[in-house]
Amino acid sequence: EAQVTQNPRYLITVTGKKLTVTCSQNMNHEYMSWYRQDPGLGLRQIYYSMNVEVTDKGDVPEGYKVSRKEKRNFPLILESPSPNQTSLYFCASSTGMAKNIQYFGAGTRLSVL
Amino acid sequence: AQKVTQAQTEISVVEKEDVTLDCVYETRDTTYYLFWYKQPPSGELVFLIRRNSFDEQNEISGRYSWNFQKSTSSFNFTITASQVVDSAVYFCALSEAKDTDKLIFGTGTRLQVFP
Repeated sequence: EAQVTQNPRYLITVTGKKLTVTCSQNMNHEYMSWYRQDPGLGLRQIYYSMNVEVTDKGDVPEGYKVSRKEKRNFPLILESPSPNQTSLYFCASSTGMAKNIQYFGAGTRLSVL
Repeated sequence: AQKVTQAQTEISVVEKEDVTLDCVYETRDTTYYLFWYKQPPSGELVFLIRRNSFDEQNEISGRYSWNFQKSTSSFNFTITASQVVDSAVYFCALSEAKDTDKLIFGTGTRLQVFP
């Protein structure tokens, strides 16, 4: 089954404790992206990757890091989480063209205390 | 600048009523794509439809229909004979051919369908 898998689904942590949210897709997609969803703001792009070893900032990259060492994986790293990073996070993948449908993971709900 | 506006924050209807979710977009690109996604209470994002800027034909899929009008930069979504299972947050989104890097989302419309 074609899917984008995120882990964990729920995470509660404390300020400053490094964490990683994993994302993996099995559709051989070149393009992967991270979004955060906040009430009243919709989804905003954090980082994206057009292919292995190619990453770039989205609209809200501050406080986040990503890496793309393999085509299927695109982890999101919060080196020093802060309460304003409490949010619902989505990973997405597609074949990389504007017309193509982005497929989303199930989401990771993060709370930073 | 690209932008998607969903002015309706929340809509409540009673089952079997028809409901229309509005979406207005802004873009300077002549080639672009419009999407609707559904986010049920379980939280995942489910793709519903994609339209390209050159195809203004309306589309119907069961109880769902979409009205794309370039003249008003709108891509509205109608649910006919709504059901409780339609309760969700619905997002309209835009991607531009010249900027393949992102999907620009509206702020979403929460639809509640009461029995």
